[in-house]
Amino acid sequence: QKEVEQNSGPLSVPEGAIASLNCTYSDRGSQSFFWYRQYSGKSPELIMSIYSNGDKEDGRFTAQLNKASQYVSLLIRDSQPSDSATYLCAARAAGGYNKLIFGAGTRLAVHP
Amino acid sequence: NAGVTQTPKFQVLKTGQSMTLQCAQDMNHNSMYWYRQDPGMGLRLIYYSASEGTTDKGEVPNGYNVSRLNKREFSLRLESAAPSQTSVYFCASSGASGTSIFYGYTFGSGTRLTVV
Repeated sequence: QKEVEQNSGPLSVPEGAIASLNCTYSDRGSQSFFWYRQYSGKSPELIMSIYSNGDKEDGRFTAQLNKASQYVSLLIRDSQPSDSATYLCAARAAGGYNKLIFGAGTRLAVHP
Repeated sequence: NAGVTQTPKFQVLKTGQSMTLQCAQDMNHNSMYWYRQDPGMGLRLIYYSASEGTTDKGEVPNGYNVSRLNKREFSLRLESAAPSQTSVYFCASSGASGTSIFYGYTFGSGTRLTVV
């Protein structure tokens, strides 16, 4: 069974700090990775995708991928209370058909 | 631009009743998916349709059936609901097919189902 693992949290950070969210995956064939944000009672919303080793920045968000270590992370700079949500890490399953395997999510709480 | 539309948003069923969850997308996407989300277990794939006319089982297909009615619509049916099927159900779609670049899913707003 291919898996994506995340610490469930909650991860509590003060407003303005950097939040670091981590994820590991078991399928070495996975090539594409995604971070979704999910507010309570809402549907997941795509915030970042990453396909190559290294860093990818988009505004306050930076995704990091290390395929050798099978590790994906999401950094949120200058965290705001509005960033408080559950963050889901997902890996595209190898073998086609564009199936995503999701982690259980990390709950982030940003306190003023 | 509606994206992915799911109906109903909420439903309460009695054990043994049947129902169909509806999903439609207006983005001309090829692939559609049904996931369920349970506390502490993340999103688990029930069924998917890589393209119009095809459907395949995902991780947790038991107790469910699907129909890809056309390119836009992908329905999920519970023939005889059980309390274990109490969950939040999400439909999703993606535009990629074959080996084209995959940009992830667009999700519908979800259906919160309770089976009593």
